[in-house]
Amino acid sequence: SYVLTQPPSVSVAPGKTAKITCGGDNIDSKSVHWYQQKPGQAPVLVMYYDSDRPSGIPERFSGSNSGNTATLTVSRVEAGDEADYFCQVWGSDSDHLIFGGGTKLTVL
Amino acid sequence: QVQLQESGPGLVKPSETLSLTCDVSGHSITTAYYWGWIRQPPGKGLEWIGNIYHTGKTYYNPSLRSRVTISQHTSKNQFSLRLTSVTAADTAVYYCARLIAVARYFDNWGQGTLVTVSS
Repeated sequence: SYVLTQPPSVSVAPGKTAKITCGGDNIDSKSVHWYQQKPGQAPVLVMYYDSDRPSGIPERFSGSNSGNTATLTVSRVEAGDEADYFCQVWGSDSDHLIFGGGTKLTVL
Repeated sequence: QVQLQESGPGLVKPSETLSLTCDVSGHSITTAYYWGWIRQPPGKGLEWIGNIYHTGKTYYNPSLRSRVTISQHTSKNQFSLRLTSVTAADTAVYYCARLIAVARYFDNWGQGTLVTVSS
C-alpha cells in the first residue's frame, strides 16, 4: 500500500522559512493536500492540489510537488503557525485515502 | 456555509459496536460530494476510516473494512458510522468531514467527538 513519510518535527525561528516535506513513491503523479491542526481543534485545509490555497489561508503558505517529495513551505513564520501538519493523497490505484504521519512545527 | 456535527456515545464497552452520526447543515448530502469519517487516537496522527458518495457507494480503509459500515440518511441530511467489535485501540477522536469529489480532499470538518472504549 502507498505510504507517505513526514519528519516528526520541524523547528524554525520566527520570521524564518519552514519547509515540511511529504515523501512518497512518485508522489508527483498524485495531488497532495495539506492540513494544519492546532491542539484541541479539528484539522483545517491549508493547501490543495499541491499548491492551491483555500480562501483565508495567508500567502505565506505555499506548496510544491516534484519527484518523490511534496513540500509545504511556510514563509515569515509566526507563533500562530505552530501546529501539526498532515499531508494527504488519494491512492487512485487502490481507492484509498492516505494521510502522512504528521509533522509538528515548533516556532522557537 | 456547510457545517458538520458529530454525535454519539462517548463511552463504548469492549466487543460492542460504536455508532456515530454526523449532522450536516447548510448543504444537502445528496449533491456530488463524498462524506467521510476520520479518527485520531490520543496523541497520534489522522487515520482515514472511509467515505460514502452521494450515490451510496462506499470506500473503506482496508485495515478496518471488516468492521466498518458507513450509511447515509438523506431524509435527515445525516450520515453515520458503525464500527463493530471495538477494542481499546479504537479509542480516538472521531471526525466527520466533507470530501471534494474530484480531488479527494476534505474541505470542511466537524469539531470531532472523543470515543473511549473501556469497560
